[in-house]
Amino acid sequence: QSVLTQPPSASGTPGQRVSISCSGSSSNVGSNSVNWYQQLPGTAPKLLIYGDDQRPSGVPGRFSGSKSGTSASLAISGLQSNDEADYYCAAWDDSLNGLYVFGTGTKVTVL
Amino acid sequence: EMQLVESGGGLVQPGRSLRLSCAVSGFTFDDYGMHWVRQVPGKGLEWVASISWNSGSVAYADSVKGRFTISRDNAKNSLYLQMNTLRGEDTALYHCAKDITATFGGAEYGMDVWGQGTTVTVS
Repeated sequence: QSVLTQPPSASGTPGQRVSISCSGSSSNVGSNSVNWYQQLPGTAPKLLIYGDDQRPSGVPGRFSGSKSGTSASLAISGLQSNDEADYYCAAWDDSLNGLYVFGTGTKVTVL
Repeated sequence: EMQLVESGGGLVQPGRSLRLSCAVSGFTFDDYGMHWVRQVPGKGLEWVASISWNSGSVAYADSVKGRFTISRDNAKNSLYLQMNTLRGEDTALYHCAKDITATFGGAEYGMDVWGQGTTVTVS
């Protein structure tokens, strides 16, 4: 059972902006940086965001991350058909012995 | 090109053991922390274990602690996951992944290179 809560689904038409939320707690999102991953159907996950809002080389600027308190968000602007995928937030959790937790995942559909 | 290739998965009976391997190429293996992440088909991602560049730090999910052991051989550019006392709930696709830093946790981290995974079925 994940400690990072995401909406199960989000959708938009091509060109629109879609935002995905990730709700955590003071032991994870509130005190550690957030990662976002994109998983296209049948493929391995891809790192989109690290350090709350940093994009690895090669990730388009259409993807942006932000964080406030114990919640984080991923925004996709200029939505494209190939953005249809599952998106996961993740963060290190300082509780107990420390562990890395993934969010529940959000399926983004391009209408 | 950075590449991770997992192997060692298969069908195993409950209570038995399995050892997964992850062969690495295209980057300096001993510069980075490494992870194992699993995924039941159709379900979400679950972190399993992490190891720092020099094996000095390791961490495990509560669900596998005491049963699984992560290790690495920097001379062989390989990552391993020894899985003992396997259970039905361990059935999943197991991915190895590279961290962006030498360890895990810290100020910035993330898994930026992933293998395609190896399937473990416990039945």
